[in-house]
Amino acid sequence: GAVVSQHPSWVICKSGTSVKIECRSLDFQATTMFWYRQFPKQSLMLMATSNEGSKATYEQGVEKDKFLINHASLTLSTLTVTSAHPEDSSFYICSARDPGQDYEQYFGPGTRLTVT
Amino acid sequence: GQNIDQPTEMTATEGAIVQINCTYQTSGFNGLFWYQQHAGEAPTFLSYNVLDGLEEKGRFSSFLSRSKGYSYLLLKELQMKDSASYLCAVVDSNYQLIWGAGTKLIIKP
Repeated sequence: GAVVSQHPSWVICKSGTSVKIECRSLDFQATTMFWYRQFPKQSLMLMATSNEGSKATYEQGVEKDKFLINHASLTLSTLTVTSAHPEDSSFYICSARDPGQDYEQYFGPGTRLTVT
Repeated sequence: GQNIDQPTEMTATEGAIVQINCTYQTSGFNGLFWYQQHAGEAPTFLSYNVLDGLEEKGRFSSFLSRSKGYSYLLLKELQMKDSASYLCAVVDSNYQLIWGAGTKLIIKP
């Protein structure tokens, strides 16, 4: 099956700093990638849809200037959390859609972000 | 609005059978997914239904009725490792995944 990697798997940073998370599709080209956030004991919350070569589409309530998304190639999307605050601490998960496999999304392993 | 409902939590006994229901009201329908998510991990794919009926895959089966806006995930011969959250997600008319809040399944010995 399709594999999506995510790096780093966990990161601790100080308040006010920026953190970049990478999402890669390893064995297929993903024209569309998705970024989710999940707080403990809650469901996935879609943050934005990332399309290769164009600007990301953000969900209502998600600050585009705070969560910068870049999808520069068919296998890589990055999420940068700028000026992180403790309330940004969460589990961030990316997924990629394989155009040849219906609409299934393949998930990366997630990144646990802790802002101190 | 778009809405997907599934029970918040269910408890079952090891070796038994459990059915997790999901009802949806979405703008269009292009299929329904079930994902399993263990605590602290990303979701993993279980099944995809786009036509009415039952899809069986080992111990797990998924059923869909489009006219009723209803699906269920059936887990047989429950094992302790099946303790997880089960997420129902519908592909809407814009081909976006609409997620349910998930059902936490607790398996007891």
